[in-house]
Amino acid sequence: DAKTTQPPSMDCAEGRAANLPCNHSTISGNEYVYWYRQIHSQGPQYIIHGLKNNETNEMASLIITEDRKSSTLILPHATLRDTAVYYCIGPGGGKLIFGQGTELSVKP
Amino acid sequence: DTAVSQTPKYLVTQMGNDKSIKCEQNLGHDTMYWYKQDSKKFLKIMFSYNNKELIINETVPNRFSPKSPDKAHLNLHINSLELGDSAVYFCASSQVASLTGELFFGEGSRLTVL
Repeated sequence: DAKTTQPPSMDCAEGRAANLPCNHSTISGNEYVYWYRQIHSQGPQYIIHGLKNNETNEMASLIITEDRKSSTLILPHATLRDTAVYYCIGPGGGKLIFGQGTELSVKP
Repeated sequence: DTAVSQTPKYLVTQMGNDKSIKCEQNLGHDTMYWYKQDSKKFLKIMFSYNNKELIINETVPNRFSPKSPDKAHLNLHINSLELGDSAVYFCASSQVASLTGELFFGEGSRLTVL
């Protein structure tokens, strides 16, 4: 199983970029990295995923290092509504395995 | 329209009772899941069904029995409820049958066992 390591919490000022790091040094060559977030009392929400190229969608950008051992999720202009727990997930055994995630607090 | 809907949203019951949580998805997906989120906020997969067939059955007590009458529904029945079953249960679905990729989650069903 691809294990991931994330800081337990981070703060970000409203309107600034939020950069959330993740280490996934055990990920294998054909495993994608997935990011989800969970806003308080809601179900997890898919954000983005990538294999080795950087990815961008309407929610965020994903930067994956060349050795694929780490990645960074970037929320370019964080808003108060982005306050949530962000999960970096490396699949294992064909399943998405959620770790503890990073609790991001966006402050005014 | 809610893509993945679960009922009930809240459930409070006594130890030893039997209860069910229902899940329906209107996304046309073939694969559905049940996840459990405990008080420490860890999300753990319990079961997965692909087109009504069980494909993942994690180490879950036999008291938990999923049932999929059709590919749009995956219900979770729990017998002889215990205090440790208190948690939020999330249903999810996905289009791909590879068990990874984008999962769509319901809003969760908070079960409290007294």
